[in-house]
Amino acid sequence: NAGVTQTPKFQVLKTGQSMTLQCAQDMNHEYMSWYRQDPGMGLRLIHYSVGAGITDQGEVPNGYNVSRSTTEDFPLRLLSAAPSQTSVYFCASSQTGPWNEQFFGPGTRLTVL
Amino acid sequence: SQQGEEDPQALSIQEGENATMNCSYKTSINNLQWYRQNSGRGLVHLILIRSNEREKHSGRLRVTLDTSKKSSSLLITASRAADTASYFCATDAGNQFYFGTGTSLTVIP
Repeated sequence: NAGVTQTPKFQVLKTGQSMTLQCAQDMNHEYMSWYRQDPGMGLRLIHYSVGAGITDQGEVPNGYNVSRSTTEDFPLRLLSAAPSQTSVYFCASSQTGPWNEQFFGPGTRLTVL
Repeated sequence: SQQGEEDPQALSIQEGENATMNCSYKTSINNLQWYRQNSGRGLVHLILIRSNEREKHSGRLRVTLDTSKKSSSLLITASRAADTASYFCATDAGNQFYFGTGTSLTVIP
């Protein structure tokens, strides 16, 4: 049981490049979410999903896209990276919603030059 | 805008002492959770308290919730060096989840 996995662990992009951060969970959780963590800001919700085929925006969705084609996977796409997207990104999952305990992945540290 | 704020931002104590950190939030909640984050790692769930509960214990952790003041506190008793980490409160509002800004705790051996 791997829990929540994220790839890559580190990534450097140039402004305007695109990339996908991968997130997978093997706990059959319905709820999955993406956060970004910036110094002094805590974690902020980017997008979330309450089940396969259903996604919605969080607090800071601009510049990011998500999809949820399977229960296990919840990739986060940056279409045109900007320096303001330099951050640490965490994926999390919980059984049915944020009112349950959330399990976090190890994070992806992204730098946009 | 974030839902919660922790106080203090940083706390340094000697091993064996108790550590108390506070969380204030802005709107009505269903539950409040506390998480720990070790440096460079993901967050780990510590404890959940429901809006109709006032106090909850888990091992060396004690959490209180005062919904009239929109505040919660986390007490770690008999602290250990391994408790050194950042601690975050988090609240759910519908399907969204809001974290506070965190308290950085340093326990000196």
